Amino acid sequence: GAGVSQTPSNKVTEKGKYVELRCDPISGHTALYWYRQSLGQGPEFLIYFQGTGAADDSGLPNDRFFAVRPEGSVSTLKIQRTERGDSAVYLCASSLTAGHNEQFFGPGTRLTVL
Amino acid sequence: GNSVTQMEGPVTLSEEAFLTINCTYTATGYPSLFWYVQYPGEGLQLLLKATKADDKGSNKGFEATYRKETTSFHLEKGSVQVSDSAVYFCALSQTGGTSYGKLTFGQGTILTVHP
Repeated sequence: GAGVSQTPSNKVTEKGKYVELRCDPISGHTALYWYRQSLGQGPEFLIYFQGTGAADDSGLPNDRFFAVRPEGSVSTLKIQRTERGDSAVYLCASSLTAGHNEQFFGPGTRLTVL
Repeated sequence: GNSVTQMEGPVTLSEEAFLTINCTYTATGYPSLFWYVQYPGEGLQLLLKATKADDKGSNKGFEATYRKETTSFHLEKGSVQVSDSAVYFCALSQTGGTSYGKLTFGQGTILTVHP
């Protein structure tokens, strides 16, 4: 079956612009996670959804970052007033449920803010 | 808070050499422990996991044992191949609470294996 997909694969934007990054999880997976990976670092947790609700958004760096998952499937990560420091690879992962289940990662969206 | 520390790379080995990548962690309670691998041009994949103390995870010739007394989860392989060249990430997942399932990663270790 299809894995986790993310679009776009690359996004170049200018400082101050708004961007949306999309994640399509594996069908039937109720848990969805967003991570951010800076160059040479491991992924850092941003937010986690169980179904439609954000169960833990403690990793969002500030209020410019917001994510939704309105129907419990596709999720969109939204970044307002982008800054150069937002440049990173944004990873999405899904799992059957939260907890010990394996998380399956998408290929990521590389965001570059000029 | 939770944290994971991996040995710094890059690690360069010849084919058939023995591999160890050290990983230690800090966490409350009893986390689950994971090794993820990222091959060139590909996404993160789960390599192996262990969910309780003294468990050994294994896959593709790689092994790691959950050592609670030393808070470690070192990755080992007896004979590496060129195809093992990748970035390896140690990670933990806290059980329970609102952070259930959230992964905390180490910084990654680049492994290059030469023929």
